[in-house]
Amino acid sequence: ETGVTQTPRHLVMGMTNKKSLKCEQHLGHNAMYWYKQSAKKPLELMFVYSLEERVENNSVPSRFSPECPNSSHLFLHLHTLQPEDSALYLCASSPGQATYEQYFGPGTRLTVT
Amino acid sequence: GQNIDQPTEMTATEGAIVQINCTYQTSGFNGLFWYQQHAGEAPTFLSYNVLDGLEEKGRFSSFLSRSKGYSYLLLKELQMKDSASYLCAVRDLGNGQNFVFGPGTRLSVLP
Repeated sequence: ETGVTQTPRHLVMGMTNKKSLKCEQHLGHNAMYWYKQSAKKPLELMFVYSLEERVENNSVPSRFSPECPNSSHLFLHLHTLQPEDSALYLCASSPGQATYEQYFGPGTRLTVT
Repeated sequence: GQNIDQPTEMTATEGAIVQINCTYQTSGFNGLFWYQQHAGEAPTFLSYNVLDGLEEKGRFSSFLSRSKGYSYLLLKELQMKDSASYLCAVRDLGNGQNFVFGPGTRLSVLP
């Protein structure tokens, strides 16, 4: 398996649920990212990890909690979400944080009911 | 702060040429990128400009003018499969070298 994979591809959850999104990259990259893509809005950077250390947290609410156990895996733990959190959540990776090309996974389509 | 503008939607005919414009304002420009995103799929990298001028890659070309804060993506010999959203993104030194994305331009190619 190559590239960036994300599971699940679709997720429906209630506001009181706890769920996790998973991202895995098979490219040997050192930086990984979480983005949120809402309808009619630009891609929003949420978190950046470089060499497994979090280097960016763009004022994301605490109901989103990232975890990067190693350079190949990235998780986004979700709890007590709101309906406005419904969106496409994209994971990306790059060889290093300052390298110019990011490779995106297919995304998880999240619906909060 | 950062601000990136693109037209929301464009329509063109198969076989034609289309130019998608992007204007930006950043505190520390360090490269401009174009991505293609088909509906329901991941964005895929198309091109990268850091110096002024035109970069050509097959049917796609991208142009940059740093003094004007302006770029365009040129698509030639349009095909139906080019129907997608095209995202302009800028790497900003004032944003930790991270990407700031524009809203995207949804291109529809008609037969």
